[in-house]
Amino acid sequence: EDQVTQSPEALRLQEGESSSLNCSYTVSGLRGLFWYRQDPGKGPEFLFTLYSAGEEKEKERLKATLTKKESFLHITAPKPEDSATYLCAGFYSGGSYIPTFGRGTSLIVHP
Amino acid sequence: ETGVTQTPRHLVMGMTNKKSLKCEQHLGHNAMYWYKQSAKKPLELMFVYSLEERVENNSVPSRFSPECPNSSHLFLHLHTLQPEDSALYLCASSSETGGFYGYTFGSGTRLTVV
Repeated sequence: EDQVTQSPEALRLQEGESSSLNCSYTVSGLRGLFWYRQDPGKGPEFLFTLYSAGEEKEKERLKATLTKKESFLHITAPKPEDSATYLCAGFYSGGSYIPTFGRGTSLIVHP
Repeated sequence: ETGVTQTPRHLVMGMTNKKSLKCEQHLGHNAMYWYKQSAKKPLELMFVYSLEERVENNSVPSRFSPECPNSSHLFLHLHTLQPEDSALYLCASSSETGGFYGYTFGSGTRLTVV
């Protein structure tokens, strides 16, 4: 069964304190790994798709990387407006073609 | 609001009521989805529509009934719900079926069943 596991469940940072969120996934059949951001009271917002190990993508203070068994979302010098829940999802070949989502990491950045 | 619009934003209903959730997208996308989001749980796929045809029904109870009259509109008809159905219901669309290039989500309907 496809599985995506995110850690930590919650993370509190001070403004400017860089850190990383982790997403580990079932390797077999992975076609793509997605990151979404979700603000309270809103739907998730698409951030990145990573397709192969070694790939990296950046957007402002966020950088997503993919290894052969996990993905990281690095947050450099975060600001309070980066506070949100970050969701990871794996897209697998065979069977259902719908992404499998993790439970998310709730990030709070204190000023 | 642009992209995917959901109404109402909040809904409180009794277990014997019948109500409908509405979703509208003007992105020219071919596929639309209903997801359920409960606290501490991953997003749960409920229904998938591709070009107005239902392509997946993820073992959802019959008290949830979807309708897709055209490629821009999606409804979720609700009847005889249970308190455990209280959740955030999200509509999403994608350019191709499956969301491989990413979903665009609406802001959701916060449903409370009393």
